[in-house]
This record gives sequence, structure tokens and C-alpha cells, in this order.
Amino acid sequence: DIRLTQSPLSLSASVGDRVTITCRASQDISNDLNWYLQKRGEAPKLVIHTASSLHSGVPSRFSGGRSGPDFSLTITNLQTEDVGTYFCQQSYFPPATFGQGTRVEIQ
Amino acid sequence: QLQLQESGPRLVKPSETLSLTCTVSGASIASNSFFWGWIRQPPGEGLEWLGAIYHTGYTYYNPSLNSRVTMSVDTSKNEFSLRLSSVTARDTAIYYCARQPATARFYPGAGDFWGQGTLVTVSS
Repeated sequence: DIRLTQSPLSLSASVGDRVTITCRASQDISNDLNWYLQKRGEAPKLVIHTASSLHSGVPSRFSGGRSGPDFSLTITNLQTEDVGTYFCQQSYFPPATFGQGTRVEIQ
Repeated sequence: QLQLQESGPRLVKPSETLSLTCTVSGASIASNSFFWGWIRQPPGEGLEWLGAIYHTGYTYYNPSLNSRVTMSVDTSKNEFSLRLSSVTARDTAIYYCARQPATARFYPGAGDFWGQGTLVTVSS
């Protein structure tokens, strides 16, 4: 299976900060990398698909990028509603796999 | 607006079969270009993709489940189902259903719409 390694596993930042989460794939997955936000007690919600495409309705302060095997999710101007756990997921080849998750908190 | 809703027993005994149904509203499950998938999350842990089914019945399963999983689709009821046999306490989790648009290579893609999830506990 394709392994995804996220870093950091948790972070604390202030409202208005810029934060970046990284997801490294164990092999080439082209751009088939997706990002989700799961708030406490809720189902995950898609934020970014195919590495850099913003899902419908997601604020433009979210962006995704790629540099080789490393994918990134960046939140500019962090807001309180952005708190939760972010997961990356590859859909390059079944079985789809997820990263461990990164918990984002407001300090 | 597309909505997905999981239903089924919340408590299953060890060695028995877990059965869940996902009812889709707001769109036809027979639409081309979409897989319908199942993902689970043990309490406090990460996400595991179980598999996905196309409206024709074509399936992808996660091999980690050792052939215990079966998925089916009923286009007349606009729903799809999950069966997981020989369950143990390790199968206790929140089970989510989700729509996954097909990728260019006809694999299940990102989950763009999810159900709210249902907690299934395996216990005697």
C-alpha cells in the first residue's frame, strides 16, 4: 500500500497566522492527493482535491501544492473555524490510504 | 443537495456479520463517473478506506480486510451496502459512506460528500 506521512502531527497557531501541513508519499502518486478537515464529532470534509484544486465552497485561504513527493496544505489567515484534524489521502491507486492526521489548534 | 445517510445495527456480536446501508438522496446512484465508498474510523484513531462500488457493481476492496468485505448496490432504492463478516472488537469504529468521483484511470477518487457516520460496536 502507498504510505502517507504527515508532519507535523499537531500545531498551535494564532488567528491570522499562516500554517502549512506537509504530506509525503512513499511513491509517486502524480497529483492524486486530497486533503480533508475533520472537526470534532463530525465527518471529514473535502478541502483540496488533486493536490491543488479547491473543493466547492471552501474558502480561498486554503491552498494546496506539491514539490516532488511532498504535498502541502497551507492556510493563510487562520480562523477559529479552521480548528480540527487535517488528513491527506491518496487516490492514485487502490487501496486509498490516509495520512495519520494533523491536529490544528488555536493558541 | 446530495445527502448520504448510514443505517444499520449499532451493536454486533463477535464472529457475526456487520451490515450497513447508505441511502443517497439528491442525486442518482446510477450516475456515471462516481464510486460509492465506505471508510471507517476507530474511536480516537485515523481513517481507513474499506472499498468502493460503482453502480454497475464493479468493486474495489481493501486487501487488509482479508476478503471479509462485500459491497452491493441497489439502484432501484438509490442505496448501497456494506457487509463485513467475522467481526472482532477491532472492527469497532465509526463507519462512513461517501461519494468518490472516479479518477481518469477509473479508480475511486476524493470523497466529496460524506454521510454523518454511524458508530458500530462489536461486543457480546
